[in-house]
Amino acid sequence: EAGVTQFPSHSVIEKGQTVTLRCDPISGHDNLYWYRRVMGKEIKFLLHFVKESKQDESGMPNNRFLAERTGGTYSTLKVQPAELEDSGVYFCASSQGELLEAFFGQGTRLTVV
Amino acid sequence: QKEVEQDPGPLSVPEGAIVSLNCTYSNSAFQYFMWYRQYSRKGPELLMYTYSSGNKEDGRFTAQVDKSSKYISLFIRDSQPSDSATYLCAMSANAGGTSYGKLTFGQGTILTVHP
Repeated sequence: EAGVTQFPSHSVIEKGQTVTLRCDPISGHDNLYWYRRVMGKEIKFLLHFVKESKQDESGMPNNRFLAERTGGTYSTLKVQPAELEDSGVYFCASSQGELLEAFFGQGTRLTVV
Repeated sequence: QKEVEQDPGPLSVPEGAIVSLNCTYSNSAFQYFMWYRQYSRKGPELLMYTYSSGNKEDGRFTAQVDKSSKYISLFIRDSQPSDSATYLCAMSANAGGTSYGKLTFGQGTILTVHP
């Protein structure tokens, strides 16, 4: 069974540009989460989808970040326009039902220069 | 003040040693406590998962939760070089309801086990 897959693994963009990160969860997992780790800090929650609905987006930093999960399958996280402080590793995780065991992808390392 | 405090280390031990990793927390609503292991350039991998206070053992790993002290620990017995990784504690307030699955992480402790 394939795990959580994230694309790209690494992205370097200039300040002001747009970047879209993609996450493919484990098949059948209704819950999909986005987290972010900024250098030197802890991994922080961004938002949670249940199927295609946003369950909790309390961790989204500002309106430059837009997450979507069309059809309840894969999810995208778009940053527009990117700022220097958006640099970090973005993780996606998925889980089944009401289980708390979340499986993480390998992360996308975003560098904004 | 951070909700979860974890000493980032680094921690270096010889092979075979017993390793003790700890986190403290301030949010009394946390009921679910996890330990994740993260190898370099990989995503976190769930090691142990405990509900409320008590101990849980899985092979060489033992997780302890003391809710009265808001303190959790992970012990690794007979540590191996393959245990070298970053260990992250994570906590959740509930399962079910609107905020289930939202994990609050510690900063992670970098562990190196040398042969």
